[in-house]
Amino acid sequence: DAGVIQSPRHEVTEMGQEVTLRCKPISGHDYLFWYRQTMMRGLELLIYFNNNVPIDDSGMPEDRFSAKMPNASFSTLKIQPSEPRDSAVYFCASTYRPTDTQYFGPGTRLTVL
Amino acid sequence: SQQGEEDPQALSIQEGENATMNCSYKTSINNLQWYRQNSGRGLVHLILIRSNEREKHSGRLRVTLDTSKKSSSLLITASQAADTASYFCATDGDTDKLIFGTGTRLQVFP
Repeated sequence: DAGVIQSPRHEVTEMGQEVTLRCKPISGHDYLFWYRQTMMRGLELLIYFNNNVPIDDSGMPEDRFSAKMPNASFSTLKIQPSEPRDSAVYFCASTYRPTDTQYFGPGTRLTVL
Repeated sequence: SQQGEEDPQALSIQEGENATMNCSYKTSINNLQWYRQNSGRGLVHLILIRSNEREKHSGRLRVTLDTSKKSSSLLITASQAADTASYFCATDGDTDKLIFGTGTRLQVFP
């Protein structure tokens, strides 16, 4: 298996623009997680899905953030409109069981100017 | 709030030396995990220790868990330059998700 795949790897955009981050989890994994990592706040869980259904989105910062998982092999995290404080590295991870080993993607480094 | 706090925040050692980093957490757990993150990369799982285990080994890694003190330690023996990375502990607490600590940045000089 190729592991968790994220795209794009780097994204530079201007404030106010819409940003869409993509993730393909490992085949067969029932759980998918979106994290955000910054120097100030460390690694934060934004939202996670079980069998394509959002289970806990309490970490989503505000309404500008939304996430979908239309099928078992694809998820998106959208920020609209983006702001400079959204600049961070966004990781997607997948697993069979939520508190067992998680497999992380390489991340998307987002810079909002 | 974060469940795990690593100590020290940063550690610099010479190749061949041992590196020890600690993790403290707040609530009861089912398991505790350690992950490594190389610069610019995603986290990679290293080892998982369950609450009924006290010690676990994997290659040059040794993990201990003391549930009475709510703490764990990760020992890397005979460190190599390639071990340079950030190391995170993660606990499940009383939830169905992992909470990651703040991490220890390890620098191993050749």
